Amino acid sequence: AQSVAQPEDQVNVAEGNPLTVKCTYSVSGNPYLFWYVQYPNRGLQFLLKYITGDNLVKGSYGFEAEFNKSQTSFHLKKPSALVSDSALYFCAVRDLLNSGNTPLVFGKGTRLSVIA
Amino acid sequence: DAMVIQNPRYQVTQFGKPVTLSCSQTLNHNVMYWYQQKSSQAPKLLFHYYDKDFNNEADTPDNFQSRRPNTSFCFLDIRSPGLGDTAMYLCATSRGKGPSNEQFFGPGTRLTVL
Repeated sequence: AQSVAQPEDQVNVAEGNPLTVKCTYSVSGNPYLFWYVQYPNRGLQFLLKYITGDNLVKGSYGFEAEFNKSQTSFHLKKPSALVSDSALYFCAVRDLLNSGNTPLVFGKGTRLSVIA
Repeated sequence: DAMVIQNPRYQVTQFGKPVTLSCSQTLNHNVMYWYQQKSSQAPKLLFHYYDKDFNNEADTPDNFQSRRPNTSFCFLDIRSPGLGDTAMYLCATSRGKGPSNEQFFGPGTRLTVL
């Protein structure tokens, strides 16, 4: 069965500093990986995805993520954090092995607080 | 702008009183999903439609049902809400069912069962 772990419930970073939100995954086959962001009382917004190819994926709002197969990780990064980046971030995975029928599985989320 | 719309944004109902949540999309996507998200938890898939093909997750409670009368609309019916059904309900769409398709989410309906 596929699963996602986000080991940090909360990440605090000063504005202007680089940020990292961690994600590790477990799948039977090859993973399709996604990051979503959720602002208060809003739905989830798609940030970026890894399907195949270059391990470094660039997405919306200056975010990027690096796929590391050996460490089964897909950490979200941004070189310089903004206060407006403060939100709840979800990592999600689908397993290519059973891609037609498996749902998108979300991690429990990491709350990012960027302090001015 | 193409989007996913959910109505109402906030709904309060009484224990056992049926409630219907609505979702509509202007994206013309084939797949529509309903998720339940409880406080400080990950969204949990309840069911999805691929066109008119309905797919129920194994652990979705029996009193949760869904209807998709056409491509644009999808409804979540909770026949007899319990206190534990208090949650945010998220509707999402995707162009196709393939795993590379990202999902587009509506703003959610926050349901409170009293």
